[in-house]
Parts: sequence; structure tokens; C-alpha cells
Amino acid sequence: GAVVSQHPSRVICKSGTSVKIECRSLDFQATTMFWYRQFPKKSLMLMATSNEGSKATYEQGVEKDKFLINHASLTLSTLTVTSAHPEDSSFYICSASRGLPLNTGELFFGEGSRLTVL
Amino acid sequence: QKEVEQNSGPLSVPEGAIASLNCTYSDRVSQSFFWYRQYSGKSPELIMSIYSNGDKEDGRFTAQLNKASQYVSLLIRDSQPSDSATYLCAVRYSGMDSSYKLIFGSGTRLLVRP
Repeated sequence: GAVVSQHPSRVICKSGTSVKIECRSLDFQATTMFWYRQFPKKSLMLMATSNEGSKATYEQGVEKDKFLINHASLTLSTLTVTSAHPEDSSFYICSASRGLPLNTGELFFGEGSRLTVL
Repeated sequence: QKEVEQNSGPLSVPEGAIASLNCTYSDRVSQSFFWYRQYSGKSPELIMSIYSNGDKEDGRFTAQLNKASQYVSLLIRDSQPSDSATYLCAVRYSGMDSSYKLIFGSGTRLLVRP
């Protein structure tokens, strides 16, 4: 498999502050990373696709100005939750796939970041 | 809209039995299918991938794919209590611009009774 590391694993912040979550592919280059969100006992909801060197593609209903995504290098993507509110509290998980020709579509997930907004 | 459907469960089986997990998907052109296991509070872990019709076996796990029926299943033989988790079916959808994304079902919770 491939290793994807996500940091921080847990964060608690006050309402109105911004929180940055980092996602790194440790042993491979990821031209594309994906950000998911998961509420308790619910499935993963794709938020956006992060492409290295270009703007992220957001899924319908996801506010791009609230969830800022930057994919500055082939091994790092960041998600910034701006002006966080309690309803943003969730489990955020990043994932990445290997670049072609090894890309078989499998996604490897980071450990996840649990955000709690007070 | 692309959809992946799973029975939420819980599916309860005794230790040593075969657990059968099912998944249907809406897009006929999908070519890649995956099963992930997720323990409570953890991120998903890849169990199996399958791309062709038929069966694919890996240890105690067998994935089955029927593209005509748009149906994917996962069999777990000799179920162990440590297999108790939520199993997520995922389908890869490709865009016209060669982009792709993985859409997940809601997951089936499996409970293996000792």
C-alpha cells in the first residue's frame, strides 16, 4: 500500500477561527488528492478534488470560500476551514491515489482529523 | 446522480460463519470497484479491489462483481470478532475530462458474535 499522513488528528477551536489540516503522501507522488467529510454513523461525503498546481474542484453544495484547498506540491494538500462554526464539527479525511501508470483507482486514506468547534 | 447503495445493517453473524455484504451502483460505465473496512473513529482501510466480472479471492475475502446487474459483493469466510466493523463499498466514476472520483455507499455494519 501507500502511506498518507494527516495532521492534526484532533483539533478543538473556538467559533469564528480558522483551522488548517495537512495531508501528505509519504512514499509516492499524488497529483490528485481528495477531501472527504464524515458525520457520525454516516458515510464519507466527497467535498472536493485537489489537483496539484491548479484550483480544486468542489462538489455541489460545498462552499469553496469556506473550505479552502491548496495543493502546492505533489505530496501536500491542505484544507482550511475558515470562520469555523459548530456545524463544521466533523471528521475530515484526505485521500490520495498514485499517479499513472500505477493508478488503479485505489485511494489511500490519511488517519483523519476530528474537528470540534465550540 | 451517481449512487452507491448498501444495506446499513447491522449484519450479525456467529464467529466462523460466512458474512455476505452487498452493494449496487447506478452508473453502468463504472469499471473500478472497492471494498473498504472502517473501524469506529478510524479512517477507511482498503480490503479489496475488483475490475472484472467474476470472483477475486484474497485470503478470507472474496469480492464478486456482476456488471450486467450492477452488483458488487464481499464475502468474508471464517468470520472473526475482529472483523466487526463498517464495510464501505466504493465505485470509481470517471468524468469526461479524464478526472475521476470515488463515491462511497453508506456502509454496512458487521457484527461477528463470539
